[in-house]
Amino acid sequence: DTGVSQNPRHKITKRGQNVTFRCDPISEHNRLYWYRQTLGQGPEFLTYFQNEAQLEKSRLLSDRFSAERPKGSFSTLEIQRTEQGDSAMYLCASSPRRGGPDTQYFGPGTRLTVL
Amino acid sequence: TQLLEQSPQFLSIQEGENLTVYCNSSSVFSSLQWYRQEPGEGPVLLVTVVTGGEVKKLKRLTFQFGDARKDSSLHITAAQPGDTGLYLCAGAEGGTASKLTFGTGTRLQVTL
Repeated sequence: DTGVSQNPRHKITKRGQNVTFRCDPISEHNRLYWYRQTLGQGPEFLTYFQNEAQLEKSRLLSDRFSAERPKGSFSTLEIQRTEQGDSAMYLCASSPRRGGPDTQYFGPGTRLTVL
Repeated sequence: TQLLEQSPQFLSIQEGENLTVYCNSSSVFSSLQWYRQEPGEGPVLLVTVVTGGEVKKLKRLTFQFGDARKDSSLHITAAQPGDTGLYLCAGAEGGTASKLTFGTGTRLQVTL
């Protein structure tokens, strides 16, 4: 068990460009979550998947954001036409959801800087 | 929208001192998780508490979930420089909505 991995760890882009992040959850974890964290704040929920189904999206997830988990394993988060306000740490978490509390394990995050 | 407030926001203490961090909400959570986060890294899970009144210990860290499952505390005994970091509490609503609502965070610095 190697933990949740995220790539890239850092991304610098110019305003208006598209970016895509990848998350590989802990193997056999069927729930996968995306959060966004800005400086000095706690993470904020964006969306989550159970297997390949996207079950909930936050109102923070504007039309420029799209997330997929096509085979119920890894997930991608794409931001189109990036804006400076998108600069943040994007965190992915996974959980086994085998009954009991839904304990979530986080990856190291992708730090996005939009110039 | 459920909100979690943490206090204090910042804490700077010397090695060997004790401290308590509080996490409060007006909402009930089915479970509450505590994380520690280092700069530039993701949150690392410390503990999950589920039952009202539950107390869990992790070496020098003691976590308590309030009887009404609306609040929690983290107590560190004899703090060490390695305890330095951002401490986050996060509540889960339970049921089909498993997203976490995070607290505002407590930044702890332990000096020699």
